[in-house]
Amino acid sequence: DGGITQSPKYLFRKEGQNVTLSCEQNLNHDAMYWYRQDPGQGLRLIYYSQIVNDFQKGDIAEGYSVSREKKESFPLTVTSAQKNPTAFYLCASSFGQPTNYGYTFGSGTRLTVV
Amino acid sequence: QKEVEQNSGPLSVPEGAIASLNCTYSDRGSQSFFWYRQYSGKSPELIMFIYSNGDKEDGRFTAQLNKASQYVSLLIRDSQPSDSATYLCAGTGGGNKLTFGTGTQLKVEL
Repeated sequence: DGGITQSPKYLFRKEGQNVTLSCEQNLNHDAMYWYRQDPGQGLRLIYYSQIVNDFQKGDIAEGYSVSREKKESFPLTVTSAQKNPTAFYLCASSFGQPTNYGYTFGSGTRLTVV
Repeated sequence: QKEVEQNSGPLSVPEGAIASLNCTYSDRGSQSFFWYRQYSGKSPELIMFIYSNGDKEDGRFTAQLNKASQYVSLLIRDSQPSDSATYLCAGTGGGNKLTFGTGTQLKVEL
């Protein structure tokens, strides 16, 4: 079945540690997105990529980094520079522009700082 | 000013009633609008999308768009307890990405 797979489902990060969240899709979608969700704040865009080897910053990119070496994969690294990383992270993809079909979301990764 | 705004709720309706969820947007260039349902601890799932003025119906769900008033709504008829969730409104004001509202929590009471 086609879909988006995020892993791990739960992740614990120690202070000063970098962690990488995985996002893989087999939908043959061109564009991929990372959002962060905090209680009461909705979804905020971190980074997005429309084609391989190209990506753009979203509204809250500071403290995060991404790569898009393959069409299927868009991993997100949460660096030690991100001071408040505890949140629910959602990866999404769309077939070209999202205007017509919107996004398909992965199941999310819940990151907690310990 | 937020680009997409929703009342956070909670909106409580009795079982079998019509639930009306509302959303306003500021970017007149927005072309399409999407309603996602999100259960607690889960990821959003697409319910409806609309890009033309007027109503669009799919089963118990009706999406309404009024571009002149910059207003989008979602009606849920015959509300069921399983409809209890947070409903996210999103628009394509950014062209190549969606902008989400903060969501409205719906509670359907027995």
